[in-house]
Amino acid sequence: GAVVSQHPSRVICKSGTSVKIECRSLDFQATTMFWYRQFPKKSLMLMATSNEGSKATYEQGVEKDKFLINHASLTLSTLTVTSAHPEDSSFYICSAQTADGTYEQYFGPGTRLTVT
Amino acid sequence: AQTVTQSQPEMSVQEAETVTLSCTYDTSESDYYLFWYKQPPSRQMILVIRQEAYKQQNATENRFSVNFQKAAKSFSLKISDSQLGDAAMYFCAYRSAAGGTSYGKLTFGQGTILTVHP
Repeated sequence: GAVVSQHPSRVICKSGTSVKIECRSLDFQATTMFWYRQFPKKSLMLMATSNEGSKATYEQGVEKDKFLINHASLTLSTLTVTSAHPEDSSFYICSAQTADGTYEQYFGPGTRLTVT
Repeated sequence: AQTVTQSQPEMSVQEAETVTLSCTYDTSESDYYLFWYKQPPSRQMILVIRQEAYKQQNATENRFSVNFQKAAKSFSLKISDSQLGDAAMYFCAYRSAAGGTSYGKLTFGQGTILTVHP
């Protein structure tokens, strides 16, 4: 089956620093990837849609200058949390959508970000 | 905009018994997809079952089946012969079949935490 990886799985950073999270589709090409944020025992909140070779589409209320998304290739999208603050601490999940016409979506294992 | 509602924050079931998780949705579209995802404690999202709205037949996957009522906009998940490994948070999700830059975007319900008692 299709596999999506995220790196790192856990990261702790200091307030004011930036942190990058990678999302890779390991055995398929993904023209579209999605980034979600999830609080404990809550639902997934879509942050942005990442399309290969074009600018990401952000959901209402998500600061695009704070959450920088780059979809540089058909297998890699990155989310950079800039000038992180404790309120950015959360679980971030990516998903990758296949480019084979089925539009199946596969999820990464998530990244737990803690900002101290 | 589409909305998905799961009105049961928590449910519990005895091992080997059957449990049904509820989901309703609101949309003005006629063609769409519905999904149930499972999120165990590892937090890895796992697709349980999918339903195409144009199909009248309810989807089944082994012990998992759905009751899809298009007119009522209802999409419940039935888990038969519940196992300890079924304990997880379950999310109902909607995806439009229309094209556009956000094609594939999933709208999730609030989730239902399922506990399985031995």
